[in-house]
Amino acid sequence: EDKVVQSPLSLVVHEGDTVTLNCSYEVTNFRSLLWYKQEKKAPTFLFMLTSSGIEKKSGRLSSILDKKELFSILNITATQTGDSAVYLCALRSSNTGKLIFGQGTTLQVKP
Amino acid sequence: DTAVSQTPKYLVTQMGNDKSIKCEQNLGHDTMYWYKQDSKKFLKIMFSYNNKELIINETVPNRFSPKSPDKAHLNLHINSLELGDSAVYFCASSPSPREKTPLHFGNGTRLTVT
Repeated sequence: EDKVVQSPLSLVVHEGDTVTLNCSYEVTNFRSLLWYKQEKKAPTFLFMLTSSGIEKKSGRLSSILDKKELFSILNITATQTGDSAVYLCALRSSNTGKLIFGQGTTLQVKP
Repeated sequence: DTAVSQTPKYLVTQMGNDKSIKCEQNLGHDTMYWYKQDSKKFLKIMFSYNNKELIINETVPNRFSPKSPDKAHLNLHINSLELGDSAVYFCASSPSPREKTPLHFGNGTRLTVT
């Protein structure tokens, strides 16, 4: 069965710190891996990764995928209080396109 | 201009009642989804429709029935509500089930069953 496991489940850091969030997965038919940020409402899309070793970057956030070792990481540098959220990793399988989500990592950035 | 909109935002109801949640998307997408997010923030797929046709139907009680009158709308009807149905329900859409594109989520409907 396809599965996504995120770690840590929660994290508390101070502004300016760098954090690394982990996502490991098991899948029979990989299509893509996605990262979302969820504050109070809708999960908002951050990155979609399909190929190993290619870093995706957006401002202070970056992500990379390793399809051989079956994991992805999301890095946030120089964290700000506005980065406080639940970060969700999701796997997209090729058969139906549904997203299988991990449990999420709750990040709290203290001033 | 909300891309995926759900109504209502909040729904408080008693056990045994029947309720509906509506979802509309104006992105021109062919595929729509319902996800349930429990108190631990775990998001789980319930249903998916592609161009009004059901393509995903996870292990969900028969009390839940999705309806897609057209490809821009996907409603969720829940019969005989139970305490365990309390959760946030998210609607989402994507261009198709097979394209490598992200899902766009609505803001969720928080259902509380008392």
